[in-house]
Amino acid sequence: EVQLVESGGGLIQPGGSLRLSCAASGFTVSSSYMNWVRQAPGKGLEWVSVIYSGGNTYYPDSVKGRFTISRDTSKNTLYLQMNSLRAEDTAMYYCARDSSSYYNFDYWGQGTLVTVSS
Amino acid sequence: DIQMTQSPSSLSASVGDRVTITCRASQSIYSNLNWYQQKPGKAPKLLIYAASSLQSGVPSRFSGSGSGTDFTLTIRSLQPEDCATYYCQQSYSTPLTFGGGTKVEIK
Repeated sequence: EVQLVESGGGLIQPGGSLRLSCAASGFTVSSSYMNWVRQAPGKGLEWVSVIYSGGNTYYPDSVKGRFTISRDTSKNTLYLQMNSLRAEDTAMYYCARDSSSYYNFDYWGQGTLVTVSS
Repeated sequence: DIQMTQSPSSLSASVGDRVTITCRASQSIYSNLNWYQQKPGKAPKLLIYAASSLQSGVPSRFSGSGSGTDFTLTIRSLQPEDCATYYCQQSYSTPLTFGGGTKVEIK
């Protein structure tokens, strides 16, 4: 059974750093396109990053240069390193699998909440 | 970036009604359009991919259509468990973008 479990969220001050983790089971992270998608409280969905099976990564301008997506094959885990955090980064962060490599997300984790506030 | 516009932003319908949600892209995305359902406090769930393909396990009362810039999600006979917010997402090019969502309630 495919499962994604996020962790690492919490309250952090503006300018701070946080690393989110997404532990996967039932499939191999390195064989799929793996993504982070966030949702600010009461708002819609925003795609944050992708790591392709080949290892390349991509970010929208809103997080480029501040966020880094990576994976640990030995732990079958996806990460999101978030630096220089801003109030507008406050959101629920979901990891999501794209098994088709066509940018649709067939499995999602339960999410981890990041709150950026002083 | 490709902008995705959904309408309406919310709707109220009766059990058994046919419900239609539309999604418009700011440029042609061919058939690269996905639909998700999100219930309160839960992660989104993939319903439709490639504009009209039903994801495994999704009830057949859900269907998608469209290509180019205009797309539709239809719920053939609304059920109480369909109360949720529905999002479209373009998968044509990065950055991937979502519509603003349509909240469906039971009248």
